[in-house]
Amino acid sequence: KQEVTQIPAALSVPEGENLVLNCSFTDSAIYNLQWFRQDPGKGLTSLLLIQSSQREQTSGRLNASLDKSSGRSTLYIAASQPGDSATYLCAVRGNQGGKLIFGQGTELSVKP
Amino acid sequence: GAVVSQHPSWVICKSGTSVKIECRSLDFQATTMFWYRQFPKQSLMLMATSNEGSKATYEQGVEKDKFLINHASLTLSTLTVTSAHPEDSSFYICSARVPGGELFFGEGSRLTVL
Repeated sequence: KQEVTQIPAALSVPEGENLVLNCSFTDSAIYNLQWFRQDPGKGLTSLLLIQSSQREQTSGRLNASLDKSSGRSTLYIAASQPGDSATYLCAVRGNQGGKLIFGQGTELSVKP
Repeated sequence: GAVVSQHPSWVICKSGTSVKIECRSLDFQATTMFWYRQFPKQSLMLMATSNEGSKATYEQGVEKDKFLINHASLTLSTLTVTSAHPEDSSFYICSARVPGGELFFGEGSRLTVL
């Protein structure tokens, strides 16, 4: 059974700092991995999607990497801003079926 | 990105009543949609997979007679919480997958049962 873990559960950084969020999964047989952002009381916004054959994806100040063999993904946020404050969730889709399994999320707070 | 719309965004109802939540894919056709439930400070829990034109597939522990799912068209899935009780109060989120595999989510619906 696939399990997804995110570390840390919460993170507080000063504005301008570069930071890394971690995601690990127990079953490396994944179809893809997706990073989301969730603001309080809101739905999820897709940030980056990495297919199993890819190593990384970039969008603006965000860079996500995938090491399938070790069951790890990282989300790198450069030059963090207060507007980046949110909960970040990673989710993996297995090869069998279309279910997306979510991690518990990392609650990020960027202080001005 | 693709747009998924959910309605209503919040609803308050009395215990024993039924509540319907709609999920629409606005700019693409979705043969499959997913319904999640989220408790405060927790991650999303998959409730069921909604398949257009066929019965939904429910996750273990989710009562299919309690949470009725209908996926009548390629752009609309509905979740009906029947005979709602206070323990059903939660944040319900739907999602739909575009052909490329990326999943897009609605804004969520907060249900409060009094």
